Amino acid sequence: EDKVVQSPLSLVVHEGDTVTLNCSYEVTNFRSLLWYKQEKKAPTFLFMLTSSGIEKKSGRLSSILDKKELFSILNITATQTGDSAIYLCAVDGAGTASKLTFGTGTRLQVTL
Amino acid sequence: NAGVTQTPKFQVLKTGQSMTLQCAQDMNHEYMSWYRQDPGMGLRLIHYSVGAGITDQGEVPNGYNVSRSTTEDFPLRLLSAAPSQTSVYFCASSYDGGNEKLFFGSGTQLSVL
Repeated sequence: EDKVVQSPLSLVVHEGDTVTLNCSYEVTNFRSLLWYKQEKKAPTFLFMLTSSGIEKKSGRLSSILDKKELFSILNITATQTGDSAIYLCAVDGAGTASKLTFGTGTRLQVTL
Repeated sequence: NAGVTQTPKFQVLKTGQSMTLQCAQDMNHEYMSWYRQDPGMGLRLIHYSVGAGITDQGEVPNGYNVSRSTTEDFPLRLLSAAPSQTSVYFCASSYDGGNEKLFFGSGTQLSVL
């Protein structure tokens, strides 16, 4: 059974801090790892990672994958209150049409 | 820009009642899916469809039925609601099943008493 574990479960930081969110996984046939941001309701896509060592960046967010050690990290620099959300990690391990296995998420709260 | 539309947003049912959660997308996406989200469990795949007339089971299909008669619509039916089906339900779609292009609806919060 595919498994995705995220840590920490929740995090409170001050605006301007840098945070690192962790995602480890166990899947039979790895295809990709994805990060989503969930604010009020619907998750929205952040990154998809398929290869080790290649950092994906979007503004203050970046992510990297280690396929040997089976984990990924999501970094957020200079956090803002608008970064407050649940960050979801998911792994596509089916090899066919989308069958994502999600972690339980990390709840990030950024305070002034 | 409608995207993925789910109705209703909130629903309360009694145990044993049946109901249908509606999902429609206007992006001509082939792939559609239903997830449920529970505290401490993450999102779990219920059913999915790779095109009209084709459906398949996900991780937690028991107690739910789906059909895909058109490209646009993918309703989720609860046959006989149980308290264990209290959850937030999300419909999602993508053009070809590519996860990086998965669009989620705004969710349906369902309570079964």
